[in-house]
Amino acid sequence: EILLTQSPATLSLSPGERVTLSCRASQSIGNFLAWYQQKPGQAPRLLFSDASNRATGIPARFSGSGSGTDFTLTISSLEPEDFAVYYCQQRSNRPPYTFGQGTKLEI
Amino acid sequence: VQLQESGPGLVKPSGTLSLTCSVSGGSISSPNWWSWVRQPPGKGLEWIGEIHHSGSTSYNPSLKSRVTISVDKTKNQFSLKLNSVTAADTALYYCVRDEDIWGQGTLVTVSS
Repeated sequence: EILLTQSPATLSLSPGERVTLSCRASQSIGNFLAWYQQKPGQAPRLLFSDASNRATGIPARFSGSGSGTDFTLTISSLEPEDFAVYYCQQRSNRPPYTFGQGTKLEI
Repeated sequence: VQLQESGPGLVKPSGTLSLTCSVSGGSISSPNWWSWVRQPPGKGLEWIGEIHHSGSTSYNPSLKSRVTISVDKTKNQFSLKLNSVTAADTALYYCVRDEDIWGQGTLVTVSS
């Protein structure tokens, strides 16, 4: 089973700041990584598939990068609506398609 | 495309959890993967398994002995069955198309 480790677990930031979230895989997964945003009481929302392929409607301040075992999600300038929990998920051809434990962005 | 989960919100220990995901605005026969993901209250996400329109399935090994995912093309739905449930199976259950379309989730509590 491929393990995903997200860091940090929690980040306390202010609107306007730049943030980079990390997701590290226990073995190479190519670029088969998705990022999700989840707000309280809502289903996760896809941000990126294949590490850097921005989903429909996702603002340009979000960017995804990485391959192999190291991946990052960057938000160039935090908006109030960006404070949420962010998850990565590996989608290599080796199920189970595990999730990271999440990073909580808080004000 | 929209997904909507349905099923009992309360299941007794040792019983079977049965959920259905109704697909609207699209076809269950389209070349997509249809999956189930769960989230215990206040915790992270766990991938349960998925099914392709062809019928091919893949399950999380931690649940494989207890889980079945199936498709009903006539009703444009897919389903989850999880047997021998315990309190640890209490969670919000989501149905998902590929990575991009998620249902709103349905809470299932395992309790006597």
